[in-house]
Amino acid sequence: AQSVTQLGSHVSVSEGALVLLRCNYSSSVPPYLFWYVQYPNQGLQLLLKYTTGATLVKGINGFEAEFKKSETSFHLTKPSAHMSDAAEYFCAVRPGGATNKLIFGTGTLLAVQP
Amino acid sequence: DAGITQSPRYKITETGRQVTLMCHQTWSHSYMFWYRQDLGHGLRLIYYSAAADITDKGEVPDGYVVSRSKTENFPLTLESATRSQTSVYFCASIDPIDTEAFFGQGTRLTVV
Repeated sequence: AQSVTQLGSHVSVSEGALVLLRCNYSSSVPPYLFWYVQYPNQGLQLLLKYTTGATLVKGINGFEAEFKKSETSFHLTKPSAHMSDAAEYFCAVRPGGATNKLIFGTGTLLAVQP
Repeated sequence: DAGITQSPRYKITETGRQVTLMCHQTWSHSYMFWYRQDLGHGLRLIYYSAAADITDKGEVPDGYVVSRSKTENFPLTLESATRSQTSVYFCASIDPIDTEAFFGQGTRLTVV
């Protein structure tokens, strides 16, 4: 069965520091991979996605992620954290094949300290 | 307005009552989904629909019923609400070509 694991339910960084949020997936076929962000009392907003092609994907707000098939990982990074980045981040996988289901990880709450 | 809307945004209901959460999208996306969000569990898929009159169970379907008579609407019904169904519910739709999922603002349901 397909699954997504996000390491660290809470991550705290200082403003200006590197942000690294980890995501590993399991899928029997090449997946599509996504990162979503959720601000308090709001829905989910797409940060970036990997479908095919270049494995380094750039998204909104300066975030990027790299698809590493050998490591089954899709970690999210940002070189310099801003206070406005404080939110919950979800990694999701859409398994390949006919299904269009999105399977989510349990989320990582990012805190940014001044 | 274009997009995906959920109603109500907040709902308090009593144990044993039936309650329906509404979801409406304006894009005519074929796929629609219902998720529940709970602390420590992320988003878990309840039901999804590939097209009008085609629905299927997700990870946590027990106690829920869905229907999809029209492409744009995908209501979720709790037949007899229980306290364990207190949660935030999100509806989403996907354009299969674009692959991006679009989410509603969520419905916060409290069962007392």
